Amino acid sequence: KNQVEQSPQSLIILEGKNCTLQCNYTVSPFSNLRWYKQDTGRGPVSLTIMTFSENTKSNGRYTATLDADTKQSSLHITASQLSDSASYICVVSATEAGTALIFGKGTTLSVSS
Amino acid sequence: GAVVSQHPSWVICKSGTSVKIECRSLDFQATTMFWYRQFPKQSLMLMATSNEGSKATYEQGVEKDKFLINHASLTLSTLTVTSAHPEDSSFYICSPGPDGMNTEAFFGQGTRLTVV
Repeated sequence: KNQVEQSPQSLIILEGKNCTLQCNYTVSPFSNLRWYKQDTGRGPVSLTIMTFSENTKSNGRYTATLDADTKQSSLHITASQLSDSASYICVVSATEAGTALIFGKGTTLSVSS
Repeated sequence: GAVVSQHPSWVICKSGTSVKIECRSLDFQATTMFWYRQFPKQSLMLMATSNEGSKATYEQGVEKDKFLINHASLTLSTLTVTSAHPEDSSFYICSPGPDGMNTEAFFGQGTRLTVV
């Protein structure tokens, strides 16, 4: 069964600190893995997309890693800001065209001052 | 990135009434539109896939007669929740079909539906 598991479910950190979110998946065939940021009451916004051959990809203070062998990914947030408070969703695609997206439940991050 | 406009952003309706949600792809032609539903603290769940000019494909457990999807043009798809019940209260999100291989998916802003 295709599944995407994220941990932790929620996380509270102080402004300026770093944090790492985890994503494990059992999706086959694997095409790509995406990280999205979803603010409360809004649609998800793409942060990164990585294919099988990519190990790391950065987008500003966000750095995603992918280990296709162990089927694990992480999203590292550096120097967190209050605006980083959101849900971070790991999504795995089973097709190149993205017609079969499997969503994780997300990690809710709260950044406090 | 692609611009997706979803309207309304929130709606409250009475039980038994119908609600129409619009999703517009503003800067590319979406031959496919994905409709998702998200309950609190849950992941997005694909409800149906609509293709321009043809009937939508519904996921298992989603009633096609309750959730009417129309994809009449390459820039507009609509989801109508018919005879809404309180259990239909959820966050509905559209996403136009990707326009290339391994490209990121773009999502609408979402519609918060509350049925009272």
